[in-house]
Amino acid sequence: AQSVTQLGSHVSVSEGALVLLRCNYSSSVPPYLFWYVQYPNQGLQLLLKYTSAATLVKGINGFEAEFKKSETSFHLTKPSAHMSDAAEYFCAVTSNAGGTSYGKLTFGQGTILTVHP
Amino acid sequence: GAVVSQHPSRVICKSGTSVKIECRSLDFQATTMFWYRQFPKQSLMLMATSNEGSKATYEQGVEKDKFLINHASLTLSTLTVTSAHPEDSSFYICSGQPQGYYNEQFFGPGTRLTVL
Repeated sequence: AQSVTQLGSHVSVSEGALVLLRCNYSSSVPPYLFWYVQYPNQGLQLLLKYTSAATLVKGINGFEAEFKKSETSFHLTKPSAHMSDAAEYFCAVTSNAGGTSYGKLTFGQGTILTVHP
Repeated sequence: GAVVSQHPSRVICKSGTSVKIECRSLDFQATTMFWYRQFPKQSLMLMATSNEGSKATYEQGVEKDKFLINHASLTLSTLTVTSAHPEDSSFYICSGQPQGYYNEQFFGPGTRLTVL
């Protein structure tokens, strides 16, 4: 079984401030972890993914995330927020082993990021 | 690369009618496609997994007779909402998984279904 919890359904930051979106996961097997961004009425765009290589993962648009097994976390950060970062962000987990969850993504509830001028 | 399209992007239909949504992988072969439903201000919920040439696997609580999925080729999957009701109004998103890429899905832009 696998699950994802995103702490904070809404996060608001000022332009230029640090962005921190929290994600904790639960998985009975080694996970693959993802962050996606969704703009209104659009599909999902992959920001970055962890697939058991480097624990610090760099993605597009200046985002990065660190996989911490001891904390079962995969928080998303960006040093300086831009207005264009305002969107909804989803953390997701899938299994990299066999079983019924293999290849299936389980999403967190999402975090809406608002960026103030 | 790895582009997935959906058609239509928006559809409005009357209660009791059926609606078909197409999902196409434009530049890769998708042996597996996934269908998700997203209600307003909620996360994506997996409805079903479809593998080319075989019957779809539905998640618990999803009516297979209501949501008909066909994955007839490596680039096309269709979702038909039969006898649609207002509670079926939602944002439907598909994703394609390239052969051998079990940790990767590429998402379509979604289809907004409104049932009157």
